[in-house]
Amino acid sequence: QLQLQESGPGLVAPSETLSLSCRISGGSITNPAYYWGWVRQPPGKGLEWIAIIFYTGSSYYNPSLESRVTISRDTSNNRFSLELASVTAADTAVYYCARYCHSATPRRSFDSWGQGTLVTVFS
Amino acid sequence: QSALAQPPSASGSLGQSVTISCSGTSSDIGNYNYVSWYQQHPGKAPRLIVYEVSKRPSGVPDRFSGSKSDNTASLTVSGLQPEDEGDYYCTAYGGTYKLLFGGGTKLTVL
Repeated sequence: QLQLQESGPGLVAPSETLSLSCRISGGSITNPAYYWGWVRQPPGKGLEWIAIIFYTGSSYYNPSLESRVTISRDTSNNRFSLELASVTAADTAVYYCARYCHSATPRRSFDSWGQGTLVTVFS
Repeated sequence: QSALAQPPSASGSLGQSVTISCSGTSSDIGNYNYVSWYQQHPGKAPRLIVYEVSKRPSGVPDRFSGSKSDNTASLTVSGLQPEDEGDYYCTAYGGTYKLLFGGGTKLTVL
C-alpha cells in the first residue's frame, strides 16, 4: 500500500522560501510509470497544481508559479521535495504531495495523496 | 480564476441524481480523453473517483459516472447518499504536462 507523508515547517515568514518534503513508502520513486507532484489548497478554496517530477529529474510546472518553484527528487532516500520562493500570504495553503500516473492506470490522474500539511505565511 | 469552469454548488435529494459540469476548451477536454474527477470531504485529501472521462478506480461505487461532450465533461452521481456530500473537482490534461483543475463544486444532499 503506497503511502505519502509530507513534512516541513508549518510557519514561513513573508519573502522567505517554503520547503517541503514528501516521503514515499510502499513504492519506489524510480518506477517509470509515475510522476510525483505537489498540489495545494488555500483555506476555503480549490485545488491548484504546482509541479510534477519524474525519477530522471524531468519536471513540469504550473506556469503561474514556475518562476518561484523548484521541485526535486532524492532517489536514494525515496523522497521528493518542493521549494517555493518569495512567499506571501497568498501562499498560505494545505500542501499535498501526490502520485501522478503517467503510463499506468489511472492515466493522467493523481491516484494517491498524502494527508496534506498546512503552511502558513505569517507576518 | 480556474482553468476549468465548474458551478460553485449543486444539490440533490437523497436517492435522486445530480450532474456536475466541467467546461474546458478544444485544447484540453476537447482534445484528450484524460478527464478526472476527485471527491473531497472536509479536512481530508482528495480521492480519485473517475479517470479517463468515464472509468472508475476499484472501490468507487458505480453510482458515480463520467462523460464528455465536446469541451465539457460531466460527473453524474446517482442514488444520492449522505456520504456523497462534499466538494468535487475536475481535472484535465492540456498537453505536454499541462495539468488543469476546476474550481470545485460543493455538493449538498438534501
